[in-house]
Amino acid sequence: AQTVTQSQPEMSVQEAETVTLSCTYDTSENNYYLFWYKQPPSRQMILVIRQEAYKQQNATENRFSVNFQKAAKSFSLKISDSQLGDTAMYFCAFMKTSNFGNEKLTFGTGTRLTIIP
Amino acid sequence: EAQVTQNPRYLITVTGKKLTVTCSQNMNHEYMSWYRQDPGLGLRQIYYSMNVEVTDKGDVPEGYKVSRKEKRNFPLILESPSPNQTSLYFCASSPWTGKNGYTFGSGTRLTVV
Repeated sequence: AQTVTQSQPEMSVQEAETVTLSCTYDTSENNYYLFWYKQPPSRQMILVIRQEAYKQQNATENRFSVNFQKAAKSFSLKISDSQLGDTAMYFCAFMKTSNFGNEKLTFGTGTRLTIIP
Repeated sequence: EAQVTQNPRYLITVTGKKLTVTCSQNMNHEYMSWYRQDPGLGLRQIYYSMNVEVTDKGDVPEGYKVSRKEKRNFPLILESPSPNQTSLYFCASSPWTGKNGYTFGSGTRLTVV
């Protein structure tokens, strides 16, 4: 079974600064996907960024980027030029690929990020 | 607008009173799933469905039922709710593969007293 660990329950950072959220996972699979989801106070689950395990290049989406270290099973999220709207709970999630099977998401316990004005 | 619609958004009920949380998606997605979110535990899968009339258990199915009679709808049924089912529930959907991420509903906050 897969496990996902987020070791930082809470973090805070000044607006406009850069912050990195850590995530490690444990799996014996070779083909999988990793995701970061954002959950603002509205409770909506919003996909921030995704990474395919077989791609060595780190994914980026505007101010959001990841540092994917497959051998170390690490998948950290970097938020640059942080904004007040980035205040949210962030979940790291793992998905094993499956042909016509259950591609469930295995989530970490989340990191609550607060951006300070 | 492509979306997953969950209802109700909030629900308070008493132990043992049957309830249904509805979920509907308008994206013609084959795959649908239910998760519950609890503090310190993240989100955990309850049930999933690969297509109409095809459902199976996830990691925490005890006390829940689902059905998939139509492609767009995937209701979650609690036939005899108990206080340990107090949680935040999410419905999610995706095409055949979830590699591009899932679309989540806006969540249902359930309290069982």
